[in-house]
Amino acid sequence: NAGVTQTPKFQVLKTGQSMTLQCAQDMNHNSMYWYRQDPGMGLRLIYYSASEGTTDKGEVPNGYNVSRLNKREFSLRLESAAPSQTSVYFCASMGGRDREYEQYFGPGTRLTVT
Amino acid sequence: DAKTTQPNSMESNEEEPVHLPCNHSTISGTDYIHWYRQLPSQGPEYVIHGLTSNVNNRMASLAIAEDRKSSTLILHRATLRDAAVYYCILRVACNAGNNRKLIWGLGTSLAVNP
Repeated sequence: NAGVTQTPKFQVLKTGQSMTLQCAQDMNHNSMYWYRQDPGMGLRLIYYSASEGTTDKGEVPNGYNVSRLNKREFSLRLESAAPSQTSVYFCASMGGRDREYEQYFGPGTRLTVT
Repeated sequence: DAKTTQPNSMESNEEEPVHLPCNHSTISGTDYIHWYRQLPSQGPEYVIHGLTSNVNNRMASLAIAEDRKSSTLILHRATLRDAAVYYCILRVACNAGNNRKLIWGLGTSLAVNP
């Protein structure tokens, strides 16, 4: 049981490049989330998916797109990276049968845009 | 959205109790109070949550004010491994259905002295 996994762990992009951050969970959770965390700040919600086939915007969705590929996987895409998107990105899932209130987080992806 | 306010930092000595305060004066009747902590270079992890009554688990206790406008996370005996950023979070309803999302504050950085 790996929990929530994220790839890659580190990435450096040039301004204007695109990339997709991958996230998968093996806990059969319904809900999945993408957050960003800037230095010294709390987490800000980018997008979330309450269930397979649905996605909704969070606080800071501009410049991002998401895909809930299936129940396990939720990807985050940066179409044209900007330096303001330099951050640590966390994926989380929630919705276990006996712990439906608890979000489980991946280890994060550290993205630098130059 | 309702939000939380916490001290930027606190310090404790090992083996002593720690009381981490949080204000959430704009909380609504259906918002849950959650606490997560984040160790350096890791994703956040769940600590405890509650709605109206005080709660205890193996990690900590949560004391909720009668008017629910504030709460306190209590670590009964701090250890060096408890040094982390502690986030007081409100779990609020999403746009539809029973879905909920977490609204994160800036957190309290807890230092534990040996």
